[in-house]
Amino acid sequence: GAVVSQHPSRVICKSGTSVKIECRSLDFQATTMFWYRQFPKQSLMLMATSNEGSKATYEQGVEKDKFLINHASLTLSTLTVTSAHPEDSSFYICSARRGPITGELFFGEGSRLTVL
Amino acid sequence: GIQVEQSPPDLILQEGANSTLRCNFSDSVNNLQWFHQNPWGQLINLFYIPSGTKQNGRLSATTVATERYSLLYISSSQTTDSGVYFCAAERLTGGGNKLTFGTGTQLKVEL
Repeated sequence: GAVVSQHPSRVICKSGTSVKIECRSLDFQATTMFWYRQFPKQSLMLMATSNEGSKATYEQGVEKDKFLINHASLTLSTLTVTSAHPEDSSFYICSARRGPITGELFFGEGSRLTVL
Repeated sequence: GIQVEQSPPDLILQEGANSTLRCNFSDSVNNLQWFHQNPWGQLINLFYIPSGTKQNGRLSATTVATERYSLLYISSSQTTDSGVYFCAAERLTGGGNKLTFGTGTQLKVEL
């Protein structure tokens, strides 16, 4: 299967700092990437859709100024959590679509963010 | 948007047993995927199956698109099959496509 790499896998930061998470599709080009958030023992909730070369589309209730998404190339999307607070602590997972508009999605390993 | 429901929410099996996990979705779909989330959080792709039947080793899946459900079969279960199984569905719309996840089935396989 296709490979999507996410980095860092774990990050601990102080309240008020910003954290950047990278998502790379290693063996295919992805015009569309997605960012999900998962709380303990819950399902994945879509935060935003990232399209290469254009602005991200955020789901209702997701603060675009808090969660900055950049999709600078066909293989890289980044999520920056700005001025992080303890309530932003969560598991963040990216995915990349391979192929056509409803093609298969492949997921990164996830990033566990802890804000102290 | 599309609604995705999974059942059962929890399942405990003895090693060697077979099981069926169900995924119901509220509308016609263009994409239906099954995943296994391992203890470290990684989502492993099991099947991309918007319709029809596929098999991969001890696992198989069937999607009956006209009746809006998909089934994941696990045969001769092993302890390594433990974890959470998610199905996720997507419908092509003019407002953008997105994969919506079900609530998952937590599977525990015991010796």
